Amino acid sequence: AQSVTQLGSHVSVSEGALVLLRCNYSSSVPPYLFWYVQYPNQGLQLLLKYTSAATLVKGINGFEAEFKKSETSFHLTKPSAHMSDAAEYFCAVSYSGNTPLVFGKGTRLSVIA
Amino acid sequence: EAEVAQSPRYKITEKSQAVAFWCDPISGHATLYWYRQILGQGPELLVQFQDESVVDDSQLPKDRFSAERLKGVDSTLKIQPAELGDSAMYLCASAQGAVDNEQFFGPGTRLTVL
Repeated sequence: AQSVTQLGSHVSVSEGALVLLRCNYSSSVPPYLFWYVQYPNQGLQLLLKYTSAATLVKGINGFEAEFKKSETSFHLTKPSAHMSDAAEYFCAVSYSGNTPLVFGKGTRLSVIA
Repeated sequence: EAEVAQSPRYKITEKSQAVAFWCDPISGHATLYWYRQILGQGPELLVQFQDESVVDDSQLPKDRFSAERLKGVDSTLKIQPAELGDSAMYLCASAQGAVDNEQFFGPGTRLTVL
């Protein structure tokens, strides 16, 4: 069975500092991995996705993530946090097309001025 | 840019009442999902449609929840009767069914049961 673990339900960084949100997955087959962002009372917006091409994936708004099979990780990073990055971030996994996503519990990112 | 539409955005109801949510996926997307997101948690699948057929409803509480996608386009999710524990965000997502399984989410319906 697939599962996703997001370490840290809340991460707080200063504006301009590095953002690192952690995601570990469990999948019996090569996974598809996703990071979504959610602002209050809104739906989920895709930041980036890994689909077995390049292991370093670049997404929108300056975010990127690296797929590390040996560590079963897909951590999300951004070199310099902006106030507008404050939101809830979800890591998700699926193992093929046309299957539901399995989400982690989310990490709330706060950015301090 | 094409988007997934959902209505209403917010719904407040009393327990034991019936509620219904509507979703219009991106045109041409054959796969439609309904997820429920409890406050502070990640979304969890309720039901998946492929065109008008249910693919997976194993997590749908069928004693009170029903979902349909009669013409394979828009979809309705119904709860009858609503219970206090149903308070959550209900998210609809659609996908082309491409290999990479990218899903596009609507803005959600925030349900509060009093």
